[in-house]
Amino acid sequence: SQQGEEDPQALSIQEGENATMNCSYKTSINNLQWYRQNSGRGLVHLILIRSNEREKHSGRLRVTLDTSKKSSSLLITASRAADTASYFCATAPHPNTGNQFYFGTGTSLTVIP
Amino acid sequence: DTEVTQTPKHLVMGMTNKKSLKCEQHMGHRAMYWYKQKAKKPPELMFVYSYEKLSINESVPSRFSPECPNSSLLNLHLHALQPEDSALYLCASSQGAARGNQPQHFGDGTRLSIL
Repeated sequence: SQQGEEDPQALSIQEGENATMNCSYKTSINNLQWYRQNSGRGLVHLILIRSNEREKHSGRLRVTLDTSKKSSSLLITASRAADTASYFCATAPHPNTGNQFYFGTGTSLTVIP
Repeated sequence: DTEVTQTPKHLVMGMTNKKSLKCEQHMGHRAMYWYKQKAKKPPELMFVYSYEKLSINESVPSRFSPECPNSSLLNLHLHALQPEDSALYLCASSQGAARGNQPQHFGDGTRLSIL
């Protein structure tokens, strides 16, 4: 399986705290993306980091990528109740001949108001 | 509202039925995807179409048959499904031929139940 693994599987924090979730993957990649999924909905793209990048920011999100360790982390700062969702990393393997993506196991985040 | 529209939202069918799931996008994307998602699990890639041609089939059983009639539409034809096929079926699209270097846009899925 090309599926990545995320930890923790579940995370519960108070509103205003920071949330960090980690993703490990198995193959060489073109890029790594993070997605959010609210209950009963489709996935929403959050951020894309390319294999030659080490860190990327978008609003309250900070993503790091360490290709030597085949790992990435997503930091959500100053969390809000609306951040409650499942978060998935997704990798585009290299070489990528078919536009395929593979999702990690996911982290379920609960932000308590 | 999402930019990828999936119909129906819910589908209940017997194991001998034939039904189809539909997906539509008008963003000019040339890559479209089907995923299967079981409860509390990540989406599993089933099929990828790039420029209306099937580029990836992740060893999906033949009771699932994809079709891409044009660049905006993607269908998944279902026949003789098993109870374990009950899941959320997600469609996604992205700009095509980009070696996976573009974000995917997802629909809200069809929740399928097999009796």
